[in-house]
Amino acid sequence: NAGVTQTPKFRILKIGQSMTLQCAQDMNHNYMYWYRQDPGMGLKLIYYSVGAGITDKGEVPNGYNVSRSTTEDFPLRLELAAPSQTSVYFCASRAGALSGNTIYFGEGSWLTVV
Amino acid sequence: EDKVVQSPLSLVVHEGDTVTLNCSYEVTNFRSLLWYKQEKKAPTFLFMLTSSGIEKKSGRLSSILDKKELSSILNITATQTGDSAIYLCAVEPETSGSRLTFGEGTQLTVNP
Repeated sequence: NAGVTQTPKFRILKIGQSMTLQCAQDMNHNYMYWYRQDPGMGLKLIYYSVGAGITDKGEVPNGYNVSRSTTEDFPLRLELAAPSQTSVYFCASRAGALSGNTIYFGEGSWLTVV
Repeated sequence: EDKVVQSPLSLVVHEGDTVTLNCSYEVTNFRSLLWYKQEKKAPTFLFMLTSSGIEKKSGRLSSILDKKELSSILNITATQTGDSAIYLCAVEPETSGSRLTFGEGTQLTVNP
């Protein structure tokens, strides 16, 4: 009963390095999301996907890329890490657009860019 | 662009107090408003509200939506130190992706 699994939990990156945050869900959910949360702030949507092969930008997509080759996985890629990308990243999934479908969050990935 | 504003941004109370957290929103084609509690880690779901005037209740927590005023309140009665958390409000539009727009959150601190 894993739900939404994110890895890694913590990572320190140097400016200019690249990395991928992994996200997997085992609930066969079509909808998946990546949010970032800066200290003392709410969550801001980076990218989302409504199904395998379909992705779209959220509020703050610059500096990130995603792919959705399978229903289960939705990795988030940072190509050239910048200090402004220091944040907590949450992956989430949802069964569908119907009212009442709860969104499930992963535990979060704490990323520091130095 | 969808927008959610929460107030107050932070609140410090004593155990046993009752608190009211506010959320106002602007969204094209409203579908639902959701409340989450966040303690250090991922947000946990509290309530989903879709209809005006119908109170949702869970123990000491309750919430109600006012579609005319484009707002919602979250009440917590007889607060306990375990209620200390960030409370997030989010709105969902009737669009593809069902993506949520979150407010900044209210940081609630309950002192013994």
